[in-house]
Amino acid sequence: AQSVTQPDIHITVSEGASLELRCNYSYGATPYLFWYVQSPGQGLQLLLKYFSGDTLVQGIKGFEAEFKRSQSSFNLRKPSVHWSDAAEYFCAVGGFGVNDYKLSFGAGTTVTVRA
Amino acid sequence: DSGVTQTPKHLITATGQRVTLRCSPRSGDLSVYWYQQSLDQGLQFLIQYYNGEERAKGNILERFSAQQFPDLHSELNLSSLELGDSALYFCASSVEVGQRNTEAFFGQGTRLTVV
Repeated sequence: AQSVTQPDIHITVSEGASLELRCNYSYGATPYLFWYVQSPGQGLQLLLKYFSGDTLVQGIKGFEAEFKRSQSSFNLRKPSVHWSDAAEYFCAVGGFGVNDYKLSFGAGTTVTVRA
Repeated sequence: DSGVTQTPKHLITATGQRVTLRCSPRSGDLSVYWYQQSLDQGLQFLIQYYNGEERAKGNILERFSAQQFPDLHSELNLSSLELGDSALYFCASSVEVGQRNTEAFFGQGTRLTVV
């Protein structure tokens, strides 16, 4: 069964500082990995995705993530955080093919940005 | 804007009642997925439809049902509502061309409050 663990429930970071959110997955095959962001009262927006190829993936809003198969990890990073990055972040594993039709989400990490 | 439209945005109803949540997928997307987001369960996959047919079921209660219509919009029906059904219900859509490397686009969600 596929599953995702996000070890950090809540992270507080200063504006301008770097941010790293951890994600560990369990999946029997080659994983397809995603990071979504949810702002208060909003839906889920896709930040970036990994399907294959280069293990360092660039996304929107200046985010990047690195896939490390040996560690079963897909950590999200941003070099300099803006106040607008305060939100909840979800890591997900899975895919949307014929036989793999759902995403499994982690519990989420809430990011607070202090001035 | 993801292109996925969910109505209504908010819904307040009493226990024992029945409600219908509506989702219009992105233009061209054949698959619709329903997710439930609650504080205690996180984001849980409920059900998937592909081009009008049920494709997969997740943690969906028997009191809940869904369908996808010929115009590809979908409805999630929740009946005999209980307090614990209060949650944010998301719809997502994807093209699903038989490969796993597609992504899902989420709507803004319907917040259901059962009182």
